[in-house]
Amino acid sequence: AQKITQTQPGMFVQEKEAVTLDCTYDTSDPSYGLFWYKQPSSGEMIFLIYQGSYDQQNATEGRYSLNFQKARKSANLVISASQLGDSAMYFCAMREEGSQGNLIFGKGTKLSVKP
Amino acid sequence: GAGVSQSPSNKVTEKGKDVELRCDPISGHTALYWYRQRLGQGLEFLIYFQGNSAPDKSGLPSDRFSAERTGESVSTLTIQRTQQEDSAVYLCASSRDRVRATEAFFGQGTRLTVV
Repeated sequence: AQKITQTQPGMFVQEKEAVTLDCTYDTSDPSYGLFWYKQPSSGEMIFLIYQGSYDQQNATEGRYSLNFQKARKSANLVISASQLGDSAMYFCAMREEGSQGNLIFGKGTKLSVKP
Repeated sequence: GAGVSQSPSNKVTEKGKDVELRCDPISGHTALYWYRQRLGQGLEFLIYFQGNSAPDKSGLPSDRFSAERTGESVSTLTIQRTQQEDSAVYLCASSRDRVRATEAFFGQGTRLTVV
């Protein structure tokens, strides 16, 4: 079974609007971390935001926030006030404490911001 | 160095030849990951090193692939008898801790082309 599922291969959003990128995960480990990375067309992987399984509040980093719903095992990324520079691939990833900390990625969502 | 360094940045090799890809992690980072990313695809986990623990080799696609890391230093990914299907960007990442709120820092990748 896939550990990380991103069901949206591609998304479009109008500039200045908010967009939600979906991510669900599968784990029986009580301790884990969830990450979002951005990969622009240049290829580098850019860390965006982190959520720990024991964190009580949803993580926020500037225009990025993580909608963490533990019971549903979802960790959606919300980007507010989209900018043209947000056009990129977005990857959700997870590390489980029990698996020695291996970092597993989803297949990604390609976000295109329209002017 | 300040970041994760990978070399070479580009490698073109003939089918059947062996190649070695190098990753120099950030100093002090105990965890090191190798991923493969085919054109337009997500990150495919290959192998994970954590300190002096036995590496997680569960992602290696065949016995033509191997990787080594001595302690917390440089890692080398070796592909023997390369095939055209091995053409991809090979990404290396390192992080300071196993699970907790430490992002993985990525290198710029090695673009491997097998002709």
